[in-house]
Amino acid sequence: DAKTTQPPSMDCAEGRAANLPCNHSTISGNEYVYWYRQIHSQGPQYIIHGLKNNETNEMASLIITEDRKSSTLILPHATLRDTAVYYCIVKGSQGNLIFGKGTKLSVKP
Amino acid sequence: GAVVSQHPSRVICKSGTSVKIECRSLDFQATTMFWYRQFPKKSLMLMATSNEGSKATYEQGVEKDKFLINHASLTLSTLTVTSAHPEDSSFYICSARGPGGLALYEQYFGPGTRLTVT
Repeated sequence: DAKTTQPPSMDCAEGRAANLPCNHSTISGNEYVYWYRQIHSQGPQYIIHGLKNNETNEMASLIITEDRKSSTLILPHATLRDTAVYYCIVKGSQGNLIFGKGTKLSVKP
Repeated sequence: GAVVSQHPSRVICKSGTSVKIECRSLDFQATTMFWYRQFPKKSLMLMATSNEGSKATYEQGVEKDKFLINHASLTLSTLTVTSAHPEDSSFYICSARGPGGLALYEQYFGPGTRLTVT
């Protein structure tokens, strides 16, 4: 079973920041939080990952709470092409990606 | 980033026939490859994990005699759906990981293969 919980869907206005939450209350000390997204009928695309500190790259920012029980993925200026299902994933014990249901983000004009 | 390709992208076959799907890592050596299946409006479900030169490890509930996996080289893995039936119609996605360790971000996904069994 997935070790994360996410809201099933969210809407965001084009040009605004999209903040996608994720709960991972059972995460262990050496597990990373990873975010992938899947645009319709394509393979998943890596976005970002982190352990304790906040992270930023050209795609997004990842904010991890101090207790590491939750995190937020931030797309600073959402575009229509960011419409996708976003998956928050904690690495499984055997190193396999376990996908939950994700959050379907709809960016609207 | 690393590129993973799949062939074919779409395939339609008749019930009872077998279909082979190829997954290739184009610019890195994939010591481990993963096969996922995704039904409409559902999440990805891991089917099996294969290490180059070894037998694949199947997830619970996945029939190894029906879904044959071969990982004979460091750049190629194949999934053969034998005696396909309409309920096998799905989106099959492969993923490849290089020898650089167990960091999750090193796992790269292919574009997927849409299988339709009539």
